[in-house]
Amino acid sequence: DQQVKQNSPSLSVQEGRISILNCDYTNSMFDYFLWYKKYPAEGPTFLISISSIKDKNEDGRFTVFLNKSAKHLSLHIVPSQPGDSAVYFCAASAGSSSSNTGKLIFGQGTTLQVKP
Amino acid sequence: DAGITQSPRHKVTETGTPVTLRCHQTENHRYMYWYRQDPGHGLRLIHYSYGVKDTDKGEVSDGYSVSRSKTEDFLLTLESATSSQTSVYFCAISGRGDWDGYTFGSGTRLTVV
Repeated sequence: DQQVKQNSPSLSVQEGRISILNCDYTNSMFDYFLWYKKYPAEGPTFLISISSIKDKNEDGRFTVFLNKSAKHLSLHIVPSQPGDSAVYFCAASAGSSSSNTGKLIFGQGTTLQVKP
Repeated sequence: DAGITQSPRHKVTETGTPVTLRCHQTENHRYMYWYRQDPGHGLRLIHYSYGVKDTDKGEVSDGYSVSRSKTEDFLLTLESATSSQTSVYFCAISGRGDWDGYTFGSGTRLTVV
C-alpha cells in the first residue's frame, strides 16, 4: 500500500505564478515530512522539510504547509521560475530521534513544468 | 555530489545473471541507503545500513542483498537479475541519521534483458 501519495503526476504553470504541489499520507505515525527536487540524470536534492509540531515552514520562495487532521501537505513555490522545472518528491518518516535510522517513505513524484 | 559516487552509471545485463552495484562515499557518514525509482512508484527503499556490517531490509528487499564491509562502500547485489529489476537505483548517505542530511548519488540505470 502506498503510504505517501502524490496524486498529480504532472503540473504546468506560467513563470511568475504560484505552483502548488500536493501530497497525502495515510500513516498517522509520520512525524516529519520533506520535499525533494530531482532533475533528469541527477539524484534528488533536499528542498524543504516540516515537523509535525508545525503547520508551516518557509524558505525563500518555497513554503510547505501541513494539515495533520487531513493528513495532507503541500508545497507552494512563489514565484515559479523555469529553473524550478523538475520532479518533486514528497517524503515522510515515523522515526523518533533515539531510534533514528533515517528511513524515508517517498511519494510517486510530480513533474512540474514552468513555462517562460 | 562529490562526496558520493555510484558505479556503474549504466548497465545492461541478461536475465539470471548476478549484478553488483557500488556506492562509494568520502564523507565518513554512518547511514547509507539503496532506493529504486520506477514510474508510478517514486523512490522505494531496498536496504539500508546504519554502520559497518549493520544492515536491514526496506520495503522492496526481495531479490536483493547488500554488504557493507567498510564505512565508505555499500554494495547492492541482485543475485539473479529479473526484468522486474530494470530500474534506476539511487544510493543515499546521511551522517546525522536525519532526513535533512540525505545526499543522493547520481544513480545507476540498470536494464535487464
